Amino acid sequence: NAGVTQTPKFRVLKTGQSMTLLCAQDMNHEYMYWYRQDPGMGLRLIHYSVGEGTTAKGEVPDGYNVSRLKKQNFLLGLESAAPSQTSVYFCASSSFSGGSSYNEQFFGPGTRLTVL
Amino acid sequence: DAKTTQPPSMDCAEGRAANLPCNHSTISGNEYVYWYRQIHSQGPQYIIHGLKNNETNEMASLIITEDRKSSTLILPHATLRDTAVYYCIVRVLHAGGTSYGKLTFGQGTILTVHP
Repeated sequence: NAGVTQTPKFRVLKTGQSMTLLCAQDMNHEYMYWYRQDPGMGLRLIHYSVGEGTTAKGEVPDGYNVSRLKKQNFLLGLESAAPSQTSVYFCASSSFSGGSSYNEQFFGPGTRLTVL
Repeated sequence: DAKTTQPPSMDCAEGRAANLPCNHSTISGNEYVYWYRQIHSQGPQYIIHGLKNNETNEMASLIITEDRKSSTLILPHATLRDTAVYYCIVRVLHAGGTSYGKLTFGQGTILTVHP
């Protein structure tokens, strides 16, 4: 299994440009998440999804949109990039089995985005 | 979710035990303690979690005090590859509504393992 993969690994944008980050997981997980990590900071949740066709806002959703058209993919879009969105973006996924078990989050390798 | 406090950095000699503390004095009865780590430039990795009993797995041990207000992650024989940022997170096992699985990361503890 490849686990969680992210495309692209690096990207440089100019202010106002748009782009889409792709996250894919091959573990049949129900839940998927997008986080951003700024230098010296912990991760902050942007958006997440509890299943195909559903998405929800996290802590810092402004300036981002997401879609989960297929269970294995979770897309993060920036419609008009701003320098404040320069960050490392991590995608994660987890399963849910209910009861008292914990299903850990598996993280991708990250996408390093610079907005000039 | 309860707030956690961790020292910003710690050092450890290779081969020795690394003991990373976490304070969570406002933890609720149904909240668990989770530990993740993030090796430089990689995504975080789950280590261990627990409610009130001590836990051990192939990576580490988790010691939770009886009053549950603090805990310690123990890496029994630290190696250079254990150099990372370690995050202590407190949250319920399964939150209701739309917050399933959400993890709140603080700034963590930077553990540096020296040869």
